[in-house]
Amino acid sequence: DAKTTQPNSMESNEEEPVHLPCNHSTISGTDYIHWYRQLPSQGPEYVIHGLTSNVNNRMASLAIAEDRKSSTLILHRATLRDAAVYYCILRDVSSSNTGKLIFGQGTTLQVKP
Amino acid sequence: KAGVTQTPRYLIKTRGQQVTLSCSPISGHRSVSWYQQTPGQGLQFLFEYFSETQRNKGNFPGRFSGRQFSNSRSEMNVSTLELGDSALYLCASSVRTGPSYEQYFGPGTRLTVT
Repeated sequence: DAKTTQPNSMESNEEEPVHLPCNHSTISGTDYIHWYRQLPSQGPEYVIHGLTSNVNNRMASLAIAEDRKSSTLILHRATLRDAAVYYCILRDVSSSNTGKLIFGQGTTLQVKP
Repeated sequence: KAGVTQTPRYLIKTRGQQVTLSCSPISGHRSVSWYQQTPGQGLQFLFEYFSETQRNKGNFPGRFSGRQFSNSRSEMNVSTLELGDSALYLCASSVRTGPSYEQYFGPGTRLTVT
């Protein structure tokens, strides 16, 4: 499975945008980029995923580099509730490992009031 | 729709005992995956069941096993518990979205082995 690299931690101020980077230089053509987050004392939560084009949903936006070797999760206005560990994960849709996610250490986001 | 539910939420067991954890996926989801989360190792994949068959398995000893029932509910069992099995055990059910899948996690079962 292709590997992702994320900063260990980031800080943000409340109500400001947050850009969480992820590097995946060995990404293959069939790898989708997924983001999950885990709030304190909860199970992980799906955030967003994409293949090549930028994606938006009610939670966040995903910006994917043209060469797909990196991506950025964008929270447009951080709230205290967004303080969590954010995981960037690659899923190969050509494999049978449909229910298997490989989690790295993720990025711990701290949001200051 | 109700989310993924796991029972029990907390459990304390003694070394050498065995334990069974239960997971009910979101209605209509046929894939159930299990993960172990510890401070040292992070989130690690245990196994996945689909239509009552184990489809994928992580790198865990044979003491860890699971099964899935015809209604997609799943159980995992850990036999001969060790102190290192103390962890948060998470269950997730998957739904296909286009070519990829989204996973929805339950709140977890916190297992403490003494």
